Amino acid sequence: ELKVEQNPLFLSMQEGKNYTIYCNYSTTSDRLYWYRQDPGKSLESLFVLLSNGAVKQEGRLMASLDTKARLSTLHITAAVHDLSATYFCAVDLRSGTYKYIFGTGTRLKVLA
Amino acid sequence: DGGITQSPKYLFRKEGQNVTLSCEQNLNHDAMYWYRQDPGQGLRLIYYSQIVNDFQKGDIAEGYSVSREKKESFPLTVTSAQKNPTAFYLCASNWGTYNSPLHFGNGTRLTVT
Repeated sequence: ELKVEQNPLFLSMQEGKNYTIYCNYSTTSDRLYWYRQDPGKSLESLFVLLSNGAVKQEGRLMASLDTKARLSTLHITAAVHDLSATYFCAVDLRSGTYKYIFGTGTRLKVLA
Repeated sequence: DGGITQSPKYLFRKEGQNVTLSCEQNLNHDAMYWYRQDPGQGLRLIYYSQIVNDFQKGDIAEGYSVSREKKESFPLTVTSAQKNPTAFYLCASNWGTYNSPLHFGNGTRLTVT
């Protein structure tokens, strides 16, 4: 059974600090996506990672993909309050059909 | 602007009633998806459709039904057979191809009492 696990599940951090969210998955895939969800809202696409070693950066967020380790990271640099949200990773199964399996999410709270 | 419209935003129903959630997209996307999200949890796939008049069950299809008669529309019916229907339902779409992220609607929050 495919599993996509994120850790930590909850993260409370001070503004200005750095931290990393981890996404591990249990099957072969070279396509991984990161999404952001604000409370009560829908999901917004952040990053699309399509190959081993892929790195994408947007503002204070940087995502990377290691397909050999089946691991993606979302690094937060100098956190600000506006980054408070829940972050999901999702893996695209290489099965000929396009089923996206989501991780459990990491709820991030940045404290002023 | 292109996007995905889900309606209604909030829906209340009595137990034993079927209810249909609407999802319309004007992105010209080929593939559409329905996900369920429970509090504090990730998204679970209910049904997906890659082309008109064809759809496949996801991981939690029991108690749900869908149709895809038009490219832009993918309604979800929550039947009385669904044991725990109260949840946040998200519709999504994409090109159904490599490197195509999902675009999500704003969701429908269904409460069944």
